[in-house]
Amino acid sequence: NAGVMQNPRHLVRRRGQEARLRCSPMKGHSHVYWYRQLPEEGLKFMVYLQKENIIDESGMPKERFSAEFPKEGPSILRIQQVVRGDSAAYFCASSLSEQLHANTGELFFGEGSRLTVL
Amino acid sequence: QKEVEQDPGPLSVPEGAIVSLNCTYSNSAFQYFMWYRQYSRKGPELLMYTYSSGNKEDGRFTAQVDKSSKYISLFIRDSQPSDSATYLCAMSAGSRASKIIFGSGTRLSIRP
Repeated sequence: NAGVMQNPRHLVRRRGQEARLRCSPMKGHSHVYWYRQLPEEGLKFMVYLQKENIIDESGMPKERFSAEFPKEGPSILRIQQVVRGDSAAYFCASSLSEQLHANTGELFFGEGSRLTVL
Repeated sequence: QKEVEQDPGPLSVPEGAIVSLNCTYSNSAFQYFMWYRQYSRKGPELLMYTYSSGNKEDGRFTAQVDKSSKYISLFIRDSQPSDSATYLCAMSAGSRASKIIFGSGTRLSIRP
């Protein structure tokens, strides 16, 4: 059973370009979460999606950032007109359920996509 | 003040030692407490999960929650070089996974 798959693992973009990060959740998981991690900082929640729906985007900047989780295919985090401050590791996690008190609420993380903006 | 505070380390101990990792928090509404382990260049993986207060043991790992002091701990007994990683505490007030707040992580190194 493959885990959460993220690609690309490393991405280099120049300022002003677009970055597109992809995440395929674990088989059977319909809940997807995106986090950003800066050096020496913890994971910062960005957005939570279920199939075709954004449930909570409270941690995602309102401009330049967008996310989707289509009926078919991976979830995508898109960053338009990237700036140097967008350089970070972006992690995707998936779960069977959103409820922590059930065993199904465990988050399974991918290995991350490391974005470098020149 | 951050909602969750965690000493970044690095913490270096000899193999076989008992390791104590800690986090403090400010939100008394937190009820769900977790510890994640993150190896270098990898994603975090769940180590321990505790609801409310008390202790939980799993093999060489023990998680403790002291809600009166707003303090949680992870103890690692008989530490191994393979335990070298960054340990992130995480907690949530509600039961929704999207509301988890993560600490900044403590880097741990176990010397052979």
